[in-house]
Amino acid sequence: QKEVEQNSGPLSVPEGAIASLNCTYSDRGSQSFFWYRQYSGKSPELIMSIYSNGDKEDGRFTAQLNKASQYVSLLIRDSQPSDSATYLCAVSSGGSNYKLTFGKGTLLTVNP
Amino acid sequence: DAGVIQSPRHEVTEMGQEVTLRCKPISGHNSLFWYRQTMMRGLELLIYFNNNVPIDDSGMPEDRFSAKMPNASFSTLKIQPSEPRDSAVYFCASSLVGGQGYNFGNGTRLTVT
Repeated sequence: QKEVEQNSGPLSVPEGAIASLNCTYSDRGSQSFFWYRQYSGKSPELIMSIYSNGDKEDGRFTAQLNKASQYVSLLIRDSQPSDSATYLCAVSSGGSNYKLTFGKGTLLTVNP
Repeated sequence: DAGVIQSPRHEVTEMGQEVTLRCKPISGHNSLFWYRQTMMRGLELLIYFNNNVPIDDSGMPEDRFSAKMPNASFSTLKIQPSEPRDSAVYFCASSLVGGQGYNFGNGTRLTVT
């Protein structure tokens, strides 16, 4: 059973701080990694993707991947109250018939 | 562009009734996924299709669940008979095969009493 693990939180940070969200996965064959944001009562929204070891930055978001440690993280700089949501880590084994396995998500609360 | 369209948004039904959920993927996307989300289990993949062909239905919980994709622009998920433990939010998502992540629909919140 391929698993994706996340700390359920809640993770609480003050406005302007860096929020760090972590994810581990069990399938060493995984090739693609995604972070989704889900506001309460809404559908998941893709915010970051990463495919190779290292860091990938997009605005205030940085995704980090370490395949040797089977670890993915998401950093949110200058956190805003509007970042308050559940963040879902998703992992794909790749190939032509790929499917995503999701973690249960980490609830982030950014306090004004 | 229209996103993934699901209907109905909310469904309340009594145990034993048949429930049909509908999904229209994004035009041009050739992979379609049905997920179920609950607080306890998170997002679980039920079944997915590539080019209208079911590829993996190992996540379908029981024979009471069935899914079809008769053409590239329409899919259904049917539960017959429904049970209270089927209460959840059901999401449909679509993507290009090998594409960069999914686009999710707004979901159907199913309540079985």
